[in-house]
Order: sequence, then C-alpha cells, then structure tokens
Amino acid sequence: EAGVAQSPRYKIIEKRQSVAFWCNPISGHATLYWYQQILGQGPKLLIQFQNNGVVDDSQLPKDRFSAERLKGVDSTLKIQPAKLEDSAVYLCASSQGGFVETQYFGPGTRLLVL
Amino acid sequence: GQNIDQPTEMTATEGAIVQINCTYQTSGFNGLFWYQQHAGEAPTFLSYNVLDGLEEKGRFSSFLSRSKGYSYLLLKELQMKDSASYLCAVTGGGGADGLTFGKGTHLIIQP
Repeated sequence: EAGVAQSPRYKIIEKRQSVAFWCNPISGHATLYWYQQILGQGPKLLIQFQNNGVVDDSQLPKDRFSAERLKGVDSTLKIQPAKLEDSAVYLCASSQGGFVETQYFGPGTRLLVL
Repeated sequence: GQNIDQPTEMTATEGAIVQINCTYQTSGFNGLFWYQQHAGEAPTFLSYNVLDGLEEKGRFSSFLSRSKGYSYLLLKELQMKDSASYLCAVTGGGGADGLTFGKGTHLIIQP
C-alpha cells in the first residue's frame, strides 16, 4: 500500500513570495491533516479535512495560509505572502476517519524562507 | 488550553531499558499516541492508548493513566537505531481529532 505522498520535498523562497505544497493521502483515507513543524518542536496542526470539508482550521493563519481539498482526495496548502517565521517542515497526514484512528505522515516539505 | 510536557533529552545504553514520560493537560481527551521521528524524517506511529493500562508491541510498550494525565513509553533491549525523537500526542474533543504534540524527547543511545 502506498503511503502519503508530498511534493516538493524542498523549497527555498524569498519573503513575500508565494508557495504551494501538494499532498496525496493514502487511498481510501477520508481524513487529511496539514501540520507545521518548526525545528526543535513537535508538529502543530494547521487544518483538518474530512472528505472535502474543513473540520478544524482554528490554528491556520488565515491572513496568509489557505488550503483546499477538492474532490476529497488530494490537497494543496498555500502561503501567500511568506514570512521568515514560516520556515518549517510542512507535514501532511491521513487517517481512515473513524474514532481515534492512527494518522500516517508523509515525508514532508522543507520550506526555507530567506 | 493544551499542554503536553516531556523531557527534552535522555541518554541510555545499548541493550538497556528506557522510560520516556509524558504529562498532559488538555481540554478534551480521546486518546494518546506515541510517534518516533528520526532526524530529517516524518513521524512514524509506535502505539496508542485509549483506556488506562499498558499496551505492549514487541520492544515497545505504552502506559496511560487518564486520571493522572500521564503516559510513558517503555523501550526495551535498546538498539542504536532507536536514537531518535519520541513524540507524545493527544487527540480529543468533538469531531476534530487533530493531534496536539509535545515538543518531543531526543533519545541518545550510547554503545
């Protein structure tokens, strides 16, 4: 079974530029999550989708971050404009969508904002 | 609010046993997860506890006490490859089950 796929794996941009990340969850997984992991910290949830609907985006900085999950499968996370403090690893995870289901993480996208 | 505490760093010897503690104070609780994360890699699932007690999976065991807001991860027969960060995470509250993570415990295994 294929795992969670993410691209690109690495991205370097200058502040105020825009960037987008893509995630393809495990086949059949209804729930998809985006996390931000700053160096030396645990991952922080940004947004959770159940199929193509948003369940929780309370920690998403909506003035610059946006995410969508069209058709309830793939998802994109966008930052516009980027700030220096956005430098982090952006992790996508998916789960089957039941009660207390295990989340499986993709390899992440490492973003460096200069 | 959500608060999850775990030690920043621990050192142990190859072949020995180590216990990594985690305490949590969260507004909701449905379950507690442990993940392993090697440097530069994604977190990988180790175990989870929903009810009080001990869950054993090979060399790894995890314990939960909901009344005390406390969990530990026990690693036996330590191997050099166990050098990694161990993340404690809690899920809970309504229909949203995103994980709230601690900062992670960096475990160093010495020969």
